[in-house]
Amino acid sequence: GENVEQHPSTLSVQEGDSAVIKCTYSDSASNYFPWYKQELGKGPQLIIDIRSNVGEKKDQRIAVTLNKTAKHFSLHITETQPEDSAVYFCAASISGNTPLVFGKGTRLSVIA
Amino acid sequence: DAGITQSPRYKITETGRQVTLMCHQTWSHSYMFWYRQDLGHGLRLIYYSAAADITDKGEVPDGYVVSRSKTENFPLTLESATRSQTSVYFCASSESDRSYGYTFGSGTRLTVV
Repeated sequence: GENVEQHPSTLSVQEGDSAVIKCTYSDSASNYFPWYKQELGKGPQLIIDIRSNVGEKKDQRIAVTLNKTAKHFSLHITETQPEDSAVYFCAASISGNTPLVFGKGTRLSVIA
Repeated sequence: DAGITQSPRYKITETGRQVTLMCHQTWSHSYMFWYRQDLGHGLRLIYYSAAADITDKGEVPDGYVVSRSKTENFPLTLESATRSQTSVYFCASSESDRSYGYTFGSGTRLTVV
């Protein structure tokens, strides 16, 4: 089955700097790659996703890139703010056919 | 209120006891999922359901039982709790398919002593 590796496990950045979280996946059939943000005491919440027919997608300060050949995808957060501090999870699946397989998470701390 | 709710939020139980975690969603979403979250393991799928009376195993199903007699409810039962089942459990639902648009509940923190 699918295996998703996520790095780094923890990340600290200064407010205003950029943060990058990387994930690799094993199943070449996977074609849907969402990112979830989990704030303390809450469930994960979808923040952005990308499908395999797209190489990059942006939503304000957040962007996701996908390299299907190398089987990796990344989350980029620009101009980080303290409220970006949270645990971020990447995930992968065969869209519509398989449940999401999640990475182990990255704890992002934005230092004011 | 519309949404997905889990109960209880916190539970302490003893080894060997049966415990049921509840999940209720108000949207009539077809798909529902149970994940457990552990430090160093992320979110791992326990069971999921595509509709009432249809359930499938996930990555870590051993020691758990699920049922789905009604679309809106998806309870998770630990038949004989073990310390290794100490975890935070999340329920999620999806309207359309097995992968897209999950909405998660707020979780149940279960401690087995």
